[in-house]
Amino acid sequence: AQSVTQLDSQVPVFEEAPVELRCNYSSSVSVYLFWYVQYPNQGLQLLLKYLSGSTLVKGINGFEAEFNKSQTSFHLRKPSVHISDTAEYFCAVRYPHAGKSTFGDGTTLTVKP
Amino acid sequence: NAGVTQTPKFQVLKTGQSMTLQCAQDMNHNSMYWYRQDPGMGLRLIYYSASEGTTDKGEVPNGYNVSRLNKREFSLRLESAAPSQTSVYFCASSPETSGIYEQYFGPGTRLTVT
Repeated sequence: AQSVTQLDSQVPVFEEAPVELRCNYSSSVSVYLFWYVQYPNQGLQLLLKYLSGSTLVKGINGFEAEFNKSQTSFHLRKPSVHISDTAEYFCAVRYPHAGKSTFGDGTTLTVKP
Repeated sequence: NAGVTQTPKFQVLKTGQSMTLQCAQDMNHNSMYWYRQDPGMGLRLIYYSASEGTTDKGEVPNGYNVSRLNKREFSLRLESAAPSQTSVYFCASSPETSGIYEQYFGPGTRLTVT
């Protein structure tokens, strides 16, 4: 069965510091990977995705993620965070032909001044 | 484009009452999904529909029914609400074709069952 683990439930960080949000998935076959962001009282929106090709994926708002097949990881990074990045972040995995994605439990990123 | 719309935004029910949550998308997407979000439990899939006329159970289907009325609309019905169904409900849609598999979410319905 598909599963995805977000290794940190909460990540506090100071403004302008770098951040990494960790995501691991279980799979022995190729998968599609996504990061979504959810601001308070809103629905989720796509940050970035990996389908194939280059393992470094760039998304919106200065975020990027690196696909590591050997470690089955897809960690999200940003070199310098802003207060406005405070939100919940979800990693999701989808097998080709599955028709649906499995979401992690989410990581709450809190950026402090 | 309105994207994915959900009604109502908020609802309070008494135990045993029924209601239908409405969802519509104007992006001509093939697939539609219903999730519930509870603190510390992420998003859990209730039901999904890969195309008009088809529906499949997700992770937590008990106590819910769905209808894919047409390509645009996907409704979620609670026949006899229970306090355990207090949650935030999200509808989402996805093209699920041509290499586009990301999901587009509605703003959510906050449901309280007393």
